[in-house]
Amino acid sequence: SYELSQPLSVSVALGQTATITCGGNNIGSKNVHWYQQKPGQAPVLVIYKDTYRPSGIPERFSGSNSGNTATLTISRAQAGDDADFYCQVWDSSTYVVFGGGTKLTVL
Amino acid sequence: EGQLVESGGGLVQPGRSLRLSCTTAGFTFGDFGMSWFRQAPGKGLEWVGLIRSKVYDGATKYAASVKGRFIISRDDSKSIAYLQMDSLKTEDTAVYYCARDRLGLNPFYHYMDVWGKGTMVTVSS
Repeated sequence: SYELSQPLSVSVALGQTATITCGGNNIGSKNVHWYQQKPGQAPVLVIYKDTYRPSGIPERFSGSNSGNTATLTISRAQAGDDADFYCQVWDSSTYVVFGGGTKLTVL
Repeated sequence: EGQLVESGGGLVQPGRSLRLSCTTAGFTFGDFGMSWFRQAPGKGLEWVGLIRSKVYDGATKYAASVKGRFIISRDDSKSIAYLQMDSLKTEDTAVYYCARDRLGLNPFYHYMDVWGKGTMVTVSS
């Protein structure tokens, strides 16, 4: 089965840049999608197909994917960015796969 | 953009069944696949299964943890997706979400662009 690994937590100072990684075997050959989930709320898609932002998602959110690591970058972090972030891919045998999630804290 | 509303959650005893509904609006339901997810209290997201649009192939896929117990179906005339859950276990306790599914090729992918707010399912005696 295919597995994705994310750091449990990431902290970033207000206004600085946060990076959240998602590791997987040759993940660069897959399309990676990212979701933000605030406490008590449903997930929201913030990045799809590695680098694309849905309408309504600020340009501060960006993604990249190469080799064994995909990365979500949040520039000029705001207090409202506090949330859990999940990466997700499709695997032909495991189907929809999520990383374990990363809790982002804006200090 | 689309709206999704889950319903049918509640308290159920182990071994019993429950059917969840995902009522949709604001988009052409038949053109899209639908996925179900769950999130146990304090835990991460877990994919449950999906049903593709009949325009594509109408196939269903399931997570290993629910295969053989859960069935996803759809009624395109009503714009509703269903999750039939049988032989429920205490570990099935979670908030269940439905989401609109997008798929594509090169390489093949699925992602979910619109989510419902979820419905709580508690399996307990």
